[in-house]
This record gives sequence, C-alpha cells and structure tokens, in this order.
Amino acid sequence: AQTVTQSQPEMSVQEAETVTLSCTYDTSESNYYLFWYKQPPSRQMILVIRQEAYKQQNATENRFSVNFQKAAKSFSLKISDSQLGDTAMYFCAFMKPFQGAQKLVFGQGTRLTINP
Amino acid sequence: NAGVTQTPKFQVLKTGQSMTLQCAQDMNHEYMSWYRQDPGMGLRLIHYSVGAGITDQGEVPNGYNVSRSTTEDFPLRLLSAAPSQTSVYFCASRQPGHVYGYTFGSGTRLTVV
Repeated sequence: AQTVTQSQPEMSVQEAETVTLSCTYDTSESNYYLFWYKQPPSRQMILVIRQEAYKQQNATENRFSVNFQKAAKSFSLKISDSQLGDTAMYFCAFMKPFQGAQKLVFGQGTRLTINP
Repeated sequence: NAGVTQTPKFQVLKTGQSMTLQCAQDMNHEYMSWYRQDPGMGLRLIHYSVGAGITDQGEVPNGYNVSRSTTEDFPLRLLSAAPSQTSVYFCASRQPGHVYGYTFGSGTRLTVV
C-alpha cells in the first residue's frame, strides 16, 4: 500500500519570502500522479499543482513549483513571493492512474502561516 | 456549474443517532468518494464508487454505509453515531482518466456528543 508522509506539521514565514513544504511517499509503482492540495480556513480543498511521474520536468503554476525526485520518492512544494492568502493547510497526495478507483492517498498535512 | 454539493455543512448528533450526509455532483463524474479529515491524520478514504450501483470500502469503512443509485448522488449513512465519528467529511468526484484528480465538496463538520 502507498503511504505519504509530510514531516512538517507547521511552518511560518514572512510575506514575500519563499517557503518549501516537504513530502515523501512510498510506492512500488512506476507510473502515478502526485498532487498538492490547499485547504484555506474556508475548508475547501483546492488543487494547487500536479505532477505525473513519467514526466521528468518539474511542474510549475505561477508562484508554485515542485521539486520531484522520483528515485528519492520526494515531492516538495515551493511557494515563491508568499502572500497572506497562501495561509492554509497543505496536503500532499498520491494516486495510481488507470487502475480501479484511482484513490487518493493523503499525507498528514502542513499548516502554513504567512505573517505580514 | 455547482460542482460537488454537500449538505449539511454542520451537524451535531447524539450518540446512537443515525443520519445521512448528502453529496451530489453535476459534472457526470463516474467516480465518487467519501473522506474523513481528522487532525494530524490528513484525509482518509471511507467508501468509494466507480459508477451507479457499484460501491466498495476504503480505509476506514466501519460505522458507515453508502449506496449509489444514480450517477449524481452518493449519500453517506452513519448507522449509530459514536464520538469517534466526530470529524470533517468530504465528498469528491472525478472522471476516470482525467488527470486533474478529484473535485471536492466544501465538507460537513459533524460533532457527535
């Protein structure tokens, strides 16, 4: 079974700084998807960025980028020029494609606070 | 486009009571899932469905029932509520093969006293 580990329960940075959230996972699969979800105080789960394991290029979405290290089974999220609206819980998640129900497996989450 | 709609948003139950959490999606997604979110544990899969009439258990199914009579609806039933079921519940849906993962509802905060 796949497992996802986020080793940083909480992080705090100043506005405009860059912050990196860590995520490691365990799987024997060679093809899979990885996701970062953001959960602001509104409780809504918002997809931030995704990475397909067969792609070597790291995904980027505006200020958000990932460092995907497949051999190390590491998938960190970098937020550049952090903003107050980035304050939220962030969850890393794993999914096997093309098999069964394609279930998401989540990490424990990292609570990120951006200070003014 | 409403996406995934969950009702109610908040609920307080007494131990032993039963209730149904509603989930509806208007995107014609085949796959639907229920997760519960507890502090320090992320989201854990309760039950899921790959289409109307087909359901299966996830990681933490005990105390919950589901059914899927239509593509749109996937209700979650608590048979006899227990304090351990105090949690935030999320419904999610996706289309098979879609690379963007699941679309989530806004969640139901359930407290069992």
